[in-house]
Amino acid sequence: SQQGEEDPQALSIQEGENATMNCSYKTSINNLQWYRQNSGRGLVHLILIRSNEREKHSGRLRVTLDTSKKSSSLLITASRAADTASYFCATDAGTGGFKTIFGAGTRLFVKA
Amino acid sequence: EAGVAQSPRYKIIEKRQSVAFWCNPISGHATLYWYQQILGQGPKLLIQFQNNGVVDDSQLPKDRFSAERLKGVDSTLKIQPAKLEDSAVYLCASSSRGGPPYEQYFGPGTRLTVT
Repeated sequence: SQQGEEDPQALSIQEGENATMNCSYKTSINNLQWYRQNSGRGLVHLILIRSNEREKHSGRLRVTLDTSKKSSSLLITASRAADTASYFCATDAGTGGFKTIFGAGTRLFVKA
Repeated sequence: EAGVAQSPRYKIIEKRQSVAFWCNPISGHATLYWYQQILGQGPKLLIQFQNNGVVDDSQLPKDRFSAERLKGVDSTLKIQPAKLEDSAVYLCASSSRGGPPYEQYFGPGTRLTVT
């Protein structure tokens, strides 16, 4: 079963707009990661946030983590057509496990 | 630095046939993962190796799937016999250490179609 569930399943925006996608998970975690997947570059790691962190930035990406609500959000600011991809959150299995569990992903389409 | 290499990139077989996929991780990466990604879903971990030992294979259908990592470098994933529901992309990834918070580097994947 999948630990993380992304929302929305699909998102279509205009270039220059911001895109926000959310991830909810079921059990306690140590870390949460976001990955991007497109046909050109495959699956690529974007950012990792630890359970004791609340917010993290990387370029145009901002990730927040709310462990009390078991949720995370990924914000992409000033989106570009090249941001068109599927975005996945991935969590560890918790309880000391090292297995990474991916959600089903949010499909983002940025229109030029 | 060379990335994770996988071959073949595409494979079409008939059900009940056998197939094997090969993965060469990034040099020096001790941990190697095989994932199955069905269309429209996220990757599902099949097996995780730490050097040449298995760390987790709880989601590997062991009646038909097998994997090995000889000498702690290259790895092979085999399906025998294949079923229609095995149609998916098989992704190999590697990381310098086992488990989060270590970033995983993914190969391009092998797209398997079982007819």
